[in-house]
Amino acid sequence: DIQMTQSPSAMSASVGDRVTITCRASQGISNYLAWFQQKPGKVPKRLIYASSSLQSGVPSRFSGSGSGTEFTLTISSLQPEDFATYYCLQHNSYPYTFGQGTKLEIK
Amino acid sequence: QVQLVQSGAEVKKPGASVKVSCKASGYTFTSYYMHWVRQAPGQGLEWMGIINPSGGSTSYAQKFQGRVTMTRDTSTSTVYMELSSLRSEDTAVYYCARIDSSSWWGQGTLVTVSS
Repeated sequence: DIQMTQSPSAMSASVGDRVTITCRASQGISNYLAWFQQKPGKVPKRLIYASSSLQSGVPSRFSGSGSGTEFTLTISSLQPEDFATYYCLQHNSYPYTFGQGTKLEIK
Repeated sequence: QVQLVQSGAEVKKPGASVKVSCKASGYTFTSYYMHWVRQAPGQGLEWMGIINPSGGSTSYAQKFQGRVTMTRDTSTSTVYMELSSLRSEDTAVYYCARIDSSSWWGQGTLVTVSS
């Protein structure tokens, strides 16, 4: 199985900060990587698919990059509504696997 | 509009089985695979498996092999996830999800395993 190692597991930041979250795959997954945002009590929302494609309706301050084994999600200027937990998901091969999550909190 | 509507919350005793349903609407049911994902209280997302509603083929995470069965009923556009030999660690919210060109999720079903 492909393991997804996400870092950091938690972080605090301020409104306006630039934030980067990383996911590393235990083997190459090309660009079969998605990023999800989840707020407490809510269903996950996909932000990025195919590593770097922005889901329709998602603000352009979110961006993704990477290929192979290393991927990043960047939020260029944090907004109050961005404080949430973020997960990566590899969908290169079964079983699909999520990263363990990054909880982004307000500093 | 795509909708995935799941069955209601369940309380089960250890050793029992639970069957969660997910009724799809707003698209051609047999054209898109359906995933099942679970989330234990305060924990992360865990991918359980996937079913092809067209032919019924499935792929499960190793962790659930032998305990999970995913099926579908094309006449009602419904997929099912049955988990057997329940233990307390299976207490979680279970989601069905379409994750393809778009991303659509059911509302989640809380399964509580308690004696």
